[in-house]
Order: sequence, then structure tokens, then C-alpha cells
Amino acid sequence: DSGVTQTPKHLITATGQRVTLRCSPRSGDLSVYWYQQSLDQGLQFLIHYYNGEERAKGNILERFSAQQFPDLHSELNLSSLELGDSALYFCASSLAGRGSTDTQYFGPGTRLTVL
Amino acid sequence: AQSVSQHNHHVILSEAASLELGCNYSYGGTVNLFWYVQYPGQHLQLLLKYFSGDPLVKGIKGFEAEFIKSKFSFNLRKPSVQWSDTAEYFCAVHPSQGGKLIFGQGTELSVKP
Repeated sequence: DSGVTQTPKHLITATGQRVTLRCSPRSGDLSVYWYQQSLDQGLQFLIHYYNGEERAKGNILERFSAQQFPDLHSELNLSSLELGDSALYFCASSLAGRGSTDTQYFGPGTRLTVL
Repeated sequence: AQSVSQHNHHVILSEAASLELGCNYSYGGTVNLFWYVQYPGQHLQLLLKYFSGDPLVKGIKGFEAEFIKSKFSFNLRKPSVQWSDTAEYFCAVHPSQGGKLIFGQGTELSVKP
């Protein structure tokens, strides 16, 4: 158990819908990262938040957005869902998000299925 | 652009065989290097990491990896695999100042009992 929690574990929804994935980082970690894992794209970085502020964006679609709240939990919002959005969405957290010894620890993931 | 390449997509070994999984990265600056393991149906777990110092690093479950700077490589090794090592293994890098992880495409390891 990494100490990173994600809910829900599974989500099944229809095309065009909107969902919210939630992540709670390890105690003391200020950084939260979101990654998408799919068969064709592998593990892709989506977005990084540090202490409530967006730090970096990766290959994140405009239909997707995220935020990190004052209690440091983060939510990833996916809207106008398409079949191709079906994937595993992982959250990771780290202490600082910067520095030479920063290590990311991953949550159990949310498996999203879009029908 | 930064990238990570894992040489093998699928490796099949018998128990007690030795393992070596290749990983090469492309990045001009100093990097931190990681191997993560994903057991079937589970999340990514940190196997080992290299930041600096001794280029031979030891991780959990008898795994080790060697950083060879001149070859931009960080290969994972285990002298004797077990059936329970069946999993997918991901090599990842990020610049030494931190930030996003860049993952290789993963190597699926199947160990036959």
C-alpha cells in the first residue's frame, strides 16, 4: 500500500458523459500527478499540481481538467467522454515535485470504461 | 524530446532463470531513474531508484539495476526469478530537478513454474 488513495476503483459510463476521479496523496506530500494508462499509448503524463497550483501539463485533452484543493486532494474531471478515453487513470504523489530525490508513489488507479 | 525505450515487450522465463531487462533513455541532462513493477490487476509499485552515487542500485525482492551513463542505460537484473515475479515492468526517468515521469512502454515478464 503506497498511501495514495483513489476513488472510485471502477467507473462505467456512456459517451458524452462527464466523470470525476478523486485522488488523496500520501500524508505530507504536496505534489499530485495524473497519468493515463492505455494499451495503445502506454503510461502518459497528464498533469502535475503542487500545493494547489498547476505545475506542468502533458498530453491532456482540453475536455479534461484537474484541480488540487487546499486539503491537497486532487480531482480529475473528464467531460464529453469518448470511447477512446477508456483507460486506467493513475494518480501519484510526491513530497515536493522538485529536487534531486523526489520519488512518486502511485495509487491503485481508476479503471474508466466508456460504452 | 525525452524518451525511454525498453527493448523487450514480452519475456518468458522458467523459474530460477536469470533476468535482464533493458532500458535506454534519451535526455541531455542529469536524470533520476526508476523501475516500477505492476503485478496483474494492481497499481505501480516502486522497485528501485537511482539518483546519484553508486551506479549499481539494489531494490526490493532481489532486484538490482545498473546505471551506465555512457550508454544512457539502466538495465534491471535478477539472478533467479520466481513465478511471483510475473508482472509488467516499467522503466521511467525524470530530470534531476523533478517533475513528470517519462515511462518506457513496459516489458511483460511471464515466469513459468
